[in-house]
Amino acid sequence: DAKTTQPPSMDCAEGRAANLPCNHSTISGNEYVYWYRQIHSQGPQYIIHGLKNNETNEMASLIITEDRKSSTLILPHATLRDTAVYYCIAFYNTDKLIFGTGTRLQVFP
Amino acid sequence: GAVVSQHPSRVICKSGTSVKIECRSLDFQATTMFWYRQFPKQSLMLMATSNEGSKATYEQGVEKDKFLINHASLTLSTLTVTSAHPEDSSFYICSAPTSSQGTQYFGPGTRLLVL
Repeated sequence: DAKTTQPPSMDCAEGRAANLPCNHSTISGNEYVYWYRQIHSQGPQYIIHGLKNNETNEMASLIITEDRKSSTLILPHATLRDTAVYYCIAFYNTDKLIFGTGTRLQVFP
Repeated sequence: GAVVSQHPSRVICKSGTSVKIECRSLDFQATTMFWYRQFPKQSLMLMATSNEGSKATYEQGVEKDKFLINHASLTLSTLTVTSAHPEDSSFYICSAPTSSQGTQYFGPGTRLLVL
């Protein structure tokens, strides 16, 4: 699996967009970029995934650079409930989900 | 969306006893489930892959005789921590994929405290 690197922590004001970066410079052509988040003392929650096109769903948007070496998860209007650890994972279809250290996002009022 | 439950949500046991944790997929069938362990302020660590009708596959360094996994049906996997010790105290989380292996639904976790 390609290794991903994320900043350990970020802050965001409530109502503003939270942009969480992820580097995956060694990602291979058939690996997807998956994002999960874990709110304190809960199981992780799937957010979104993509291969090379930008993706959007009801939770977030995923922007993947053209060379696929990095991506950004965007929460368009962060709320206090979005405070969590966000994990970016490079994943191939038959692999296991391996979690890195993630980014701890703190949304403040 | 798909729901995965775990039982119990928290358990306290004495050192040397065994503890069973159940993981259920409530509205879908799961031939494969995964078990993770998470220590405070750390990330999730994959312990093993539970396969319905066959033996579980364990990650390197995880003792299969200590962490017994049984996947008896398409909706239930159990993890038994045998002869638990205080160092086994942790947050245990299971997950199950749905249509896509990468899109997994996680249980709420079981917090184990071994005294």
